[in-house]
Amino acid sequence: QVQLVESGGGVVQPGGSLRLSCAASGFTFGGHGMLWVRQAAGKGLEWVAYIRSDGNNQYYADSVKGRFTISRDNSKNTLYLQMNSLRPEDTAVHYCARYYDSGGASRYFDYWGQGTLVTVSS
Amino acid sequence: DIQLTQSPSFLSASVGDRVTITCRASQDISSYLAWYQHKPGKAPKLLIYAASTLQSGVPSRFSGSGSGTEFTLTISSLQPEDFATYYCQQLNDYPRFTFGPGTKVDIK
Repeated sequence: QVQLVESGGGVVQPGGSLRLSCAASGFTFGGHGMLWVRQAAGKGLEWVAYIRSDGNNQYYADSVKGRFTISRDNSKNTLYLQMNSLRPEDTAVHYCARYYDSGGASRYFDYWGQGTLVTVSS
Repeated sequence: DIQLTQSPSFLSASVGDRVTITCRASQDISSYLAWYQHKPGKAPKLLIYAASTLQSGVPSRFSGSGSGTEFTLTISSLQPEDFATYYCQQLNDYPRFTFGPGTKVDIK
């Protein structure tokens, strides 16, 4: 069955760095775009970054542009999020999700991981 | 970016109630809208895509409608396991897939 398992979260000081991983299994990882989404405590879901299936194009929310880098290794079935220059407002649970597009308006994120918590605090 | 608003932001209801949540987009997004259910500590769950298509395995008490800029999610008879926060997401503006602010459904 499809599984997405995030790891790499933890506590980091402001200005620090962290790399999140999302290990995928149960499907052809290289055939799907992937998304990172985060949720701060008491807040809603915020899309953070998206990467196309071949890894050649990446897109970022304005709030993380220039600080975060999304990447993937299709040979290892793993998605990454390198987070630099972290700020307290980056404190959130971070989720990875699989993109599915079956044509027309049938686009959606059908599988999600359980999330990994990133805490930015001194 | 396309902005989404949801109403209400909070809803208190009883088991068996019919519940309707509205999502409005800042511009025409055709039917490129999905709905998710999110419970604390859990992964978000896809309920509806293409505005009105029920995801496989989702109970038929959930339904979606709308197109253009106004959409609704309806739960025909609220069950105890439905108490959660619901989010709409637009997928028209690829790949800036913005979410609505969420609607929390709580027990009355």
